[in-house]
Amino acid sequence: QVQLQQWGAGLLKPSETLSLTCAVHGGSFSDYYWTWIRQPPGKGLEWIGEINHGGGTSYNPSLKSRVTISVDTSKNQFSLKLSSVTAADTAVYYCARGETGLHGSPLWYFHHWGQGTLVTVSS
Amino acid sequence: QSVLTQPPSVSGAPGQRVTISCTGSSSNIGAGYDVHWYQQLPGTAPKVFIYGNSNRPSGVPDRFSGSKSGTSASLAITGLQPEDEADYYCQSYDSSLSAVVFGGGTKLTVL
Repeated sequence: QVQLQQWGAGLLKPSETLSLTCAVHGGSFSDYYWTWIRQPPGKGLEWIGEINHGGGTSYNPSLKSRVTISVDTSKNQFSLKLSSVTAADTAVYYCARGETGLHGSPLWYFHHWGQGTLVTVSS
Repeated sequence: QSVLTQPPSVSGAPGQRVTISCTGSSSNIGAGYDVHWYQQLPGTAPKVFIYGNSNRPSGVPDRFSGSKSGTSASLAITGLQPEDEADYYCQSYDSSLSAVVFGGGTKLTVL
């Protein structure tokens, strides 16, 4: 059974760097794309970006200049850093597993999700 | 403004059929990328209900079905039940943005 467990600081001041980590329990770590998605309070979902086990990344163009996603294959964990946060970055942040098809090609959907972490940016 | 467009809300009485539309463009749904649908209950992570346009994961009732045509997709729910009340999101991939994109979400109310 696949489980994603995430953690990180929940309260930040403007200009600080958001840092979250997601641990993957169960299933293969190398066969999937590891993803971060966020949801501002009362609003919709926004894809932040993804990483594969080899370290290849893809980011949302609207956040690309501030986002870094990294992976630690020895621990089956991946992490998100978002720099220079503002109140607009206040959201529930989710980690998720991006499903793959034949030969590891991305299917662009997410079957397993972490529990979510509310990150609030406030002075 | 979301890349995929959904109605903000839909409603129906128990037992009725409702549909939720998802309209995209030639760089996402119209380009052949699959559409996926998620159900989100308050305070919980989204759960995939339809993947690959029309496939249901194990455990999702067959009252839920998905379809896709041209630059649009739809989620249909038949035999509406109170527990279906939730937010529903469509999702695809956009080649112009090189990014996963979501609809703005639709709140389903069971009257």
